[in-house]
Amino acid sequence: AQSVTQLGSHVSVSEGALVLLRCNYSSSVPPYLFWYVQYPNQGLQLLLKYTSAATLVKGINGFEAEFKKSETSFHLTKPSAHMSDAAEYFCAVLTGANNLFFGTGTRLTVIP
Amino acid sequence: KAGVTQTPRYLIKTRGQQVTLSCSPISGHRSVSWYQQTPGQGLQFLFEYFSETQRNKGNFPGRFSGRQFSNSRSEMNVSTLELGDSALYLCASSLGENVFTGDTIYFGEGSWLTVV
Repeated sequence: AQSVTQLGSHVSVSEGALVLLRCNYSSSVPPYLFWYVQYPNQGLQLLLKYTSAATLVKGINGFEAEFKKSETSFHLTKPSAHMSDAAEYFCAVLTGANNLFFGTGTRLTVIP
Repeated sequence: KAGVTQTPRYLIKTRGQQVTLSCSPISGHRSVSWYQQTPGQGLQFLFEYFSETQRNKGNFPGRFSGRQFSNSRSEMNVSTLELGDSALYLCASSLGENVFTGDTIYFGEGSWLTVV
C-alpha cells in the first residue's frame, strides 16, 4: 500500500522563523514526491517536486525539500517565514502505478 | 490566458440525486484530472483523462464517473448521492500526456458540493 502522512495539521511560526513542514511516505517503488501550496480561495500550486534527481529540491518562494530515502521523508523547509507564506500545504506521492496520493494538509500560520 | 474553470462553483443536492460537474482546462492542455477534498480525508485522486481516454482511476466507487470531450473539456458525474459525498471537487489540467510525469498541475478553484 502507498500513503503519505503529514505530521501536524496546523503549524504556527513567527515571522522570520524557520518553517518546517513534515511529510513521510510509504511506497514499494521509488516515488515521485511533490509539495503543493493552496492559498486562501485559490487552487493548488506546485511548490516543488522530486523526480529521482538531486535529493535536495529547491522550489518557488524560497522553499526547499530534502528527499531522505532512509527516513522515507520529504520535509519542506524555508529559512525565514513571511506573512505571505500563510496557506495550506500538501505533500503528495506518485507511485509507479500512476496513483497520486495527497496528505491531509498542514495549515501554516505566520505570526507577526 | 484563462485558468482552469469549474462550474458550478457551489451547489446543493439531495441524497439519492445525481450531479454533473464541468471542467474547462487551460487552453492547449489535454490532460485533466479530478480530485475530492474533504476535511477528514484530505485530497484524493479520482481519475485522469487524456485525449478522451481515462488513464487512471483512484479508489472510489463506481458511482463516480467521468468523461472528456474532444475539446479537452471534462465532466464528472456522481450518481445516487450520499451525505459523505459532500466535498470540494477539484479539477486540474496539465500540458503533458500524463499528469503524473511531474508537469505542473494547474488546479481550478473547485466545485463545492453539499448533499443534504
